[in-house]
Amino acid sequence: SQQGEEDPQALSIQEGENATMNCSYKTSINNLQWYRQNSGRGLVHLILIRSNEREKHSGRLRVTLDTSKKSSSLLITASRAADTASYFCATASNYGGATNKLIFGTGTLLAVQP
Amino acid sequence: GAVVSQHPSWVICKSGTSVKIECRSLDFQATTMFWYRQFPKQSLMLMATSNEGSKATYEQGVEKDKFLINHASLTLSTLTVTSAHPEDSSFYICSARRPNTEAFFGQGTRLTVV
Repeated sequence: SQQGEEDPQALSIQEGENATMNCSYKTSINNLQWYRQNSGRGLVHLILIRSNEREKHSGRLRVTLDTSKKSSSLLITASRAADTASYFCATASNYGGATNKLIFGTGTLLAVQP
Repeated sequence: GAVVSQHPSWVICKSGTSVKIECRSLDFQATTMFWYRQFPKQSLMLMATSNEGSKATYEQGVEKDKFLINHASLTLSTLTVTSAHPEDSSFYICSARRPNTEAFFGQGTRLTVV
């Protein structure tokens, strides 16, 4: 099952510009995480924001979380060509007491033009 | 960070044969691992939750007899695709995590059934 949707589906920007990706989800969460995936590779964890947090920073990354709107955004500032990848949000929830499994959003394909 | 190793990274098999994919957590004990499937240009779909010492929990629509999961130790989970068919061709990714923390992903296995 898929928890969330991301928009845009694809984003093309010039190097140096900022990139913003949005994620919406459907159920209550414990935390929300953002991952990056280069083509045909595994996923790399970028940042985790807990349900009681509203904003978090890590280097050039800024994540916001609005639990009332069930949405999150990922901002990458001063983008570089090496940031080209697919970005996924993933939510962790307790389903009937089960272990926190991660459910992924649909993803945003980011292309940064040099 | 923690490392999850997945093997093999790619495999080609004949229709009707079975393929086993291994997922190891190298530097922490993972009582729970997760198996995902990803079609080209799509998101990760959770297939099942692998529980050490007990039966796996499958997501709705995933055939448990088709995708056999064994989690025999705290560092190893295996996914066996039985009687593989071309429609089983996909990218399979495992992950391991501690509750309420980030997940660590294997490198993924690209399965091609011919």
